[in-house]
Amino acid sequence: KAGVTQTPRYLIKTRGQQVTLSCSPISGHRSVSWYQQTPGQGLQFLFEYFSETQRNKGNFPGRFSGRQFSNSRSEMNVSTLELGDSALYLCASGTADNSPLHFGNGTRLTVT
Amino acid sequence: DQQVKQNSPSLSVQEGRISILNCDYTNSMFDYFLWYKKYPAEGPTFLISISSIKDKNEDGRFTVFLNKSAKHLSLHIVPSQPGDSAVYFCAAKGETSGSRLTFGEGTQLTVNP
Repeated sequence: KAGVTQTPRYLIKTRGQQVTLSCSPISGHRSVSWYQQTPGQGLQFLFEYFSETQRNKGNFPGRFSGRQFSNSRSEMNVSTLELGDSALYLCASGTADNSPLHFGNGTRLTVT
Repeated sequence: DQQVKQNSPSLSVQEGRISILNCDYTNSMFDYFLWYKKYPAEGPTFLISISSIKDKNEDGRFTVFLNKSAKHLSLHIVPSQPGDSAVYFCAAKGETSGSRLTFGEGTQLTVNP
């Protein structure tokens, strides 16, 4: 079974630009979550989608948004990029609520 | 407000010995706990989990212990192997959290040959 696939692996953007990251969950997984990892803040929850609906949202500004498609694939978008948005963005997929999340290898975003 | 804390940023052990990684939490609504291992440039890999109705769960060399009264959990790795060297994250979620996990800061485990 293929794992969680995130594209692209690396991105370099300039302040003020916007970016879209993509995630394909494990086949059969309907829940997709996004996390941001930075050296200072650790792993922080961004949002979760289940059956195309946002089920949970973390404490991030509105510049961070996401969506989920009918095939469970998900995208997250960051608008008006800031230097502090430089991070590893991780996508995770899961089945039922009390089952482990499985993570992709992330997209490393660098904002210059 | 750090609801999940891993107080040891690093731990070094000899190959073959036991590694014990610790995690404390403050939110009494957490009822499901997980440990993940992470190598550089990769996503976290699920290791083992435990529900709050249990106090111990084993999977091969990995055992997780949960002490609900102390709001403390620990991961034991026996015997430790050099390939276990990685950052270990403790994570927790509550019944109404969906798939939202709250992570600790991580502990860098180094297993020396």
